[in-house]
Amino acid sequence: AQTVTQSQPEMSVQEAETVTLSCTYDTSESNYYLFWYKQPPSRQMILVIRQEAYKQQNATENRFSVNFQKAAKSFSLKISDSQLGDTAMYFCAFMKHAWGAQKLVFGQGTRLTINP
Amino acid sequence: DAGVIQSPRHEVTEMGQEVTLRCKPISGHNSLFWYRQTMMRGLELLIYFNNNVPIDDSGMPEDRFSAKMPNASFSTLKIQPSEPRDSAVYFCASSPGTIYGYTFGSGTRLTVV
Repeated sequence: AQTVTQSQPEMSVQEAETVTLSCTYDTSESNYYLFWYKQPPSRQMILVIRQEAYKQQNATENRFSVNFQKAAKSFSLKISDSQLGDTAMYFCAFMKHAWGAQKLVFGQGTRLTINP
Repeated sequence: DAGVIQSPRHEVTEMGQEVTLRCKPISGHNSLFWYRQTMMRGLELLIYFNNNVPIDDSGMPEDRFSAKMPNASFSTLKIQPSEPRDSAVYFCASSPGTIYGYTFGSGTRLTVV
């Protein structure tokens, strides 16, 4: 079974700073997908960024980028020029690659606070 | 597209009552998932469907929980009888395929008193 670990329950940074959230996972699968989801106080789950394991290039989406280290089974999220609206819970998630629907396995989350 | 639509947004019920949560997935998405979120256990997958067929219900806590997907545009999660430990936020999500991840609904906050 796959497991996802987020070792930082809470983080806090000043607006405009850069912050990195950590995520490690355990799997015996060779092909899979990794995701970061954001959950603001509204509780809506919002997809931030995705990474396919077979791609060596790290995914980027505007101010959000990942550092994917397949051998180390590490998938960290970097938020540059942080904004007040980035305040949220952030969840790292794993999905194996297979035909048909597959379940997302989530980490416990990191609560990120951006201070003015 | 209106996204994944869940109803109700909030539900307060008394212990022992039947509760039905509803979900309308995004049109064209062939996979639907029900998750439960609590402080203690985080996000747990309860059940998921592919093309309206239940694929894995191993996360359903016990026989009090049941889920149906009678057609591609509607699913229900029923708890009967409800208990205070069922209090949580229940999310529905849909997906067109693995690589895209899921789109979540805004959740139903269930409180059983």
